[in-house]
Amino acid sequence: ETGVTQSPTHLIKTRGQQVTLRCSSQSGHNTVSWYQQALGQGPQFIFQYYREEENGRGNFPPRFSGLQFPNYSSELNVNALELDDSALYLCASSLLGGEGYEQYFGPGTRLTVT
Amino acid sequence: AQKITQTQPGMFVQEKEAVTLDCTYDTSDPSYGLFWYKQPSSGEMIFLIYQGSYDQQNATEGRYSLNFQKARKSANLVISASQLGDSAMYFCAMRSGGSYIPTFGRGTSLIVHP
Repeated sequence: ETGVTQSPTHLIKTRGQQVTLRCSSQSGHNTVSWYQQALGQGPQFIFQYYREEENGRGNFPPRFSGLQFPNYSSELNVNALELDDSALYLCASSLLGGEGYEQYFGPGTRLTVT
Repeated sequence: AQKITQTQPGMFVQEKEAVTLDCTYDTSDPSYGLFWYKQPSSGEMIFLIYQGSYDQQNATEGRYSLNFQKARKSANLVISASQLGDSAMYFCAMRSGGSYIPTFGRGTSLIVHP
């Protein structure tokens, strides 16, 4: 069983740039969720994808967008980066409709915006 | 709306002793689930334990147990026989109703002393 992987592990961007973060879900999972975790805070839900469709969205502006692919991997895109976008971005996969309730997280991508 | 509160920013415990991490929650939905996650300094969120609102017994997973007091709306995590490797951030989370999207608390930092 392959766990959740994310790339890259670290990234430095400048304000106004665009960034794409990637996530491969755990084998057998059909749902991917993205979270932003600022320093000293708990993860904040960005959005969730189920079978390539957005299945819920948190309080984040439209410049945060995503995709899910047929193999259930996913991308998070952030346009017009702002300094406050500096955070750890976590991806979590789960099986929607399955018996398991828990989400399995990847190691995260640490984004620094200067 | 659902809310999770973790009032202990930091906790210290001696190795081999037990420790309780507090979590209170608020939701108007009678159906909900409560989770605890561990986040080491590496950043990955590790699922520890789950308690459903209709579960009659407190959840246990190895050295982890969840002290679920429904009337008080509390879901404290008890770690027995603390180990040095238990030093990490611990997050309580909840999802309610038909939503698969959890809300996280701000976390508690646990340090285990030898």
